[in-house]
Amino acid sequence: EAGVAQSPRYKIIEKRQSVAFWCNPISGHATLYWYQQILGQGPKLLIQFQNNGVVDDSQLPKDRFSAERLKGVDSTLKIQPAKLEDSAVYLCASRIAGGNTGELFFGEGSRLTVL
Amino acid sequence: GDSVTQMEGPVTLSEEAFLTINCTYTATGYPSLFWYVQYPGEGLQLLLKATKADDKGSNKGFEATYRKETTSFHLEKGSVQVSDSAVYFCALSDPTGGFKTIFGAGTRLFVKA
Repeated sequence: EAGVAQSPRYKIIEKRQSVAFWCNPISGHATLYWYQQILGQGPKLLIQFQNNGVVDDSQLPKDRFSAERLKGVDSTLKIQPAKLEDSAVYLCASRIAGGNTGELFFGEGSRLTVL
Repeated sequence: GDSVTQMEGPVTLSEEAFLTINCTYTATGYPSLFWYVQYPGEGLQLLLKATKADDKGSNKGFEATYRKETTSFHLEKGSVQVSDSAVYFCALSDPTGGFKTIFGAGTRLFVKA
């Protein structure tokens, strides 16, 4: 079974530029999460989708971050314009629909460096 | 809101030493509890889980017991190996909140040969 796929693995941009990250969850997983993991910290939830609807985006900085999951499968997270403090690893995770434990499956992450 | 607090690292142990990493949580509902591990250069992966009070999760020699009375889920291993060197994250998932999953800050473990 293929795991959660993310791209790109690494991205370096200047501040005020834009960047987009892509995630393809495990087939059949209805719930998709984007987390931000700053060096030395735990993952912080940015947004949670159930199929193509948003369940929680309370910690998404909506003035610069956006995310979509148009067909309920893959998802894109965009940052525009980027700030220095956005340097982090962006993790995508998915969860099987109907599972009662909440176990998440993670991709390898996309590491963003903002200069 | 829900939160997870775990002991700060790094933790440095010699091979075959006993490991405890403390984790406490705050939740309004009845969450499931998890330990995830991140090995160097790899993504986060589930180590073990417990879904209700007094459940014990175990995997690869690691154990943790869901203690509702103390709101804790401490990770233990009787004899660590060099290959256990990693960052360990305690997490909770609240089914009443759509399985929103909250992570602790992580504890880095170094095991010396």
